[in-house]
Amino acid sequence: TQLLEQSPQFLSIQEGENLTVYCNSSSVFSSLQWYRQEPGEGPVLLVTVVTGGEVKKLKRLTFQFGDARKDSSLHITAAQPGDTGLYLCAGSSGGSYIPTFGRGTSLIVHP
Amino acid sequence: DAGVIQSPRHEVTEMGQEVTLRCKPISGHNSLFWYRQTMMRGLELLIYFNNNVPIDDSGMPEDRFSAKMPNASFSTLKIQPSEPRDSAVYFCASRLGEWAGELFFGEGSRLTVL
Repeated sequence: TQLLEQSPQFLSIQEGENLTVYCNSSSVFSSLQWYRQEPGEGPVLLVTVVTGGEVKKLKRLTFQFGDARKDSSLHITAAQPGDTGLYLCAGSSGGSYIPTFGRGTSLIVHP
Repeated sequence: DAGVIQSPRHEVTEMGQEVTLRCKPISGHNSLFWYRQTMMRGLELLIYFNNNVPIDDSGMPEDRFSAKMPNASFSTLKIQPSEPRDSAVYFCASRLGEWAGELFFGEGSRLTVL
């Protein structure tokens, strides 16, 4: 079983601040995804990374896949209240096509 | 286009009762997942179907849980008998193809077993 550790577990910040959340594992992943989940809804995909060292940007969100494909980070610049939610990373490895999810980082951005 | 549809959205039942959760995946998607989400354990995979065939059911907690996918447009997750520790939000997700494809989640079924 591949374990994905996400940190921090909880984050409460003010609008306009920057933040980084992390997703770490001892396993190598062939692909890693980040999802955001709002209360009462299912997770929604933000990005998929597949190449070690890969960096992807989605407006104020920057995603990085570690060189060894064991870890990933999500950086948010100038956070807004609309960024509030649970951020989940999910990795797939080897011959498995089944994403394993971390427990998530719960982010609250106060106006 | 309709997304993944789950029913019921909320279910409250008493211990020992049978619970059936339903899922209609996105048309054309050939992979279907059932996950369970709790505060303590996060999102845990219960079972994965590909082309209506169960591929990985190692996450199904015990014999009280069973899942079926009789056709490409319908799946059920059944718990019999239910126990309080089964209380959680159960999500169904579908995907087109395999590997790095996006999972599309339903809104979930919140189960409370008293």
